[in-house]
Amino acid sequence: QQQVRQSPQSLTVWEGETAILNCSYEDSTFNYFPWYQQFPGEGPALLISIRSVSDKKEDGRFTIFFNKREKKLSLHITDSQPGDSATYFCAASEPYQRFGTGTKLQVVP
Amino acid sequence: AQTIHQWPVAEIKAVGSPLSLGCTIKGKSSPNLYWYWQATGGTLQQLFYSITVGQVESVVQLNLSASRPKDDQFILSTEKLLLSHSGFYLCAWSLELSQNTLYFGAGTRLSVL
Repeated sequence: QQQVRQSPQSLTVWEGETAILNCSYEDSTFNYFPWYQQFPGEGPALLISIRSVSDKKEDGRFTIFFNKREKKLSLHITDSQPGDSATYFCAASEPYQRFGTGTKLQVVP
Repeated sequence: AQTIHQWPVAEIKAVGSPLSLGCTIKGKSSPNLYWYWQATGGTLQQLFYSITVGQVESVVQLNLSASRPKDDQFILSTEKLLLSHSGFYLCAWSLELSQNTLYFGAGTRLSVL
């Protein structure tokens, strides 16, 4: 049973646009939500994370919006760049991390 | 700075043959260590975790085993490979067991033929 779901499975945006990646979860005990970025052939790397006590976390062009009541998160990538093309995983933690299915983002110049 | 090294980078193995994958973490004492498996284009599935030397917990059963012979070393192995073992194996470490950021290695690509 997939406890962390992501949508869309793939997303294509033009350079400069805002990409919105969605994530939802089932277990209300989850309280830490990291997003990882993975390039082909590499291991994932932490991009940004949020704890359930917050509803927003911003880091440069990357922002997480968190809705605890609806058990949903979204990652907004503003001014998308071709270098942002990667697969993004939402994860939920407690006690160990469960990963979502991933969103493959392509940014077209 | 902490570094994580996985070996080998890639393996091509026959069904039924044995396998041993390794991971070494430098620059951090007593890290929590993890093995993850990722199918091509798929999500990450945690296989094992270890909080201390000699202690390994299994998360899913995939006819694999793991050991932590040293504080900085984590080994994944099996005596008989299956076709379903093909994929990308990732070792990771964290400071805490919960609410943790995972730091991944570069992975080992395994093809079982």
